[in-house]
Amino acid sequence: QKEVEQNSGPLSVPEGAIASLNCTYSDRGSQSFFWYRQYSGKSPELIMFIYSNGDKEDGRFTAQLNKASQYVSLLIRDSQPSDSATYLCAVSNTNAGKSTFGDGTTLTVKP
Amino acid sequence: DTAVSQTPKYLVTQMGNDKSIKCEQNLGHDTMYWYKQDSKKFLKIMFSYNNKELIINETVPNRFSPKSPDKAHLNLHINSLELGDSAVYFCASSQEAPQGGLQYFGPGTRLTVT
Repeated sequence: QKEVEQNSGPLSVPEGAIASLNCTYSDRGSQSFFWYRQYSGKSPELIMFIYSNGDKEDGRFTAQLNKASQYVSLLIRDSQPSDSATYLCAVSNTNAGKSTFGDGTTLTVKP
Repeated sequence: DTAVSQTPKYLVTQMGNDKSIKCEQNLGHDTMYWYKQDSKKFLKIMFSYNNKELIINETVPNRFSPKSPDKAHLNLHINSLELGDSAVYFCASSQEAPQGGLQYFGPGTRLTVT
């Protein structure tokens, strides 16, 4: 089992729809959770982070964390073609001293 | 000002050669990382340094040797390059050492070994 698993893509949604990206992790000691966006040919860029159970909203983005289920998700409301990218989930464990990245989910938003 | 910079951006070389990639951050962060992203886009950590001290050394061939002359710089030297080393190498930095959470990535170095 991979340490961090993301729903296999690619994911395609129409413009204006809600895109839902999911991530599960195996290390129960994980404390910090991150979503990075990576455009083709570019470097990963942090877009959201969440530390506590529940929802965290930032503009059109909402991160959701459920530590009991070892599940973190990213919702993108009113999806735009500019949201088309690969989204990487990262999970951090203080004791391990590192972040582990998922394989990423490629999102395509069609006009 | 570029927060995390890497040189070179592209590197094409032949098998068996030795090459180096340089990374610098001007964010004042304590921790720096090297990641390898292969053709399948999987991002895998290779090394992490905190204040010039090696703290993470994943299962990486010992042909790869990182060096951190100061906490703002982390270089990667690769000996005897192999075809399988072809990938994009990203440098990153983080203030939240050693948790490695909020990371800022450099633009990447695309290494092609022929």
